[in-house]
Amino acid sequence: QVQLQESGPGLVKPSQTLSLTCTVSGGSISSGSYYWSWIRQPAGKGLEWIGRIYTSGSTNYNPSLKSRVTISVDTSKNQFSLKLSSVTAADTAVYYCARAGDYGDYGTPFDYWGQGTLVTVSS
Amino acid sequence: EIVMTQSPATLSVSPGERATLSCRASQSVSSNLAWYQQKPGQAPRLLIYGASTRATGIPARFSGSGSGTEFTLTISSLQSEDFAVYYCQQYNNWPLWTFGQGTKVEIK
Repeated sequence: QVQLQESGPGLVKPSQTLSLTCTVSGGSISSGSYYWSWIRQPAGKGLEWIGRIYTSGSTNYNPSLKSRVTISVDTSKNQFSLKLSSVTAADTAVYYCARAGDYGDYGTPFDYWGQGTLVTVSS
Repeated sequence: EIVMTQSPATLSVSPGERATLSCRASQSVSSNLAWYQQKPGQAPRLLIYGASTRATGIPARFSGSGSGTEFTLTISSLQSEDFAVYYCQQYNNWPLWTFGQGTKVEIK
């Protein structure tokens, strides 16, 4: 059973960089055809996809955040990470890591999610 | 960007009744559409993918239909554990995957 767990600071100051790590257990992050993603959810609001990294290491980002986002992978630790620079209060949200599985003709839904971690941007 | 629009925003249903949730895409997403259930304080859970295929362990009372731009999630007989927020998500348009704004299913 694949499990994902987010970790990182719960409080970040405005203009600084938000850094989160997702640790994957129950399977290798570098095997198979999976997209490892970050998704966020402001309190009381909907879900926003931030970006993803493929098993091969290629990345795609939400255009609205692209200039501030970097997603990377550390296969030796079975982890992938999110960095979001120049944060403001608008970046306050619960951040989820998730896996998009390859279901062939049925596409790539998010089949495994971390429990989420709240990041507050405040001085 | 493909915009996903869900309706209604809130659906009030009595236990045992049928619930029908709608999701509309601003352009065709073929059948690359998933539905998720989210309860307070929890991560979303995958219910349906490929517009109509139930994920592992999802009860048969959940069913999905549609293709192109119009999709429906039906819960045939609502159980107490089904009261939650439901999101649709398209994964057809690369590289940007997008979610609907959610439908809250509440007890009537």
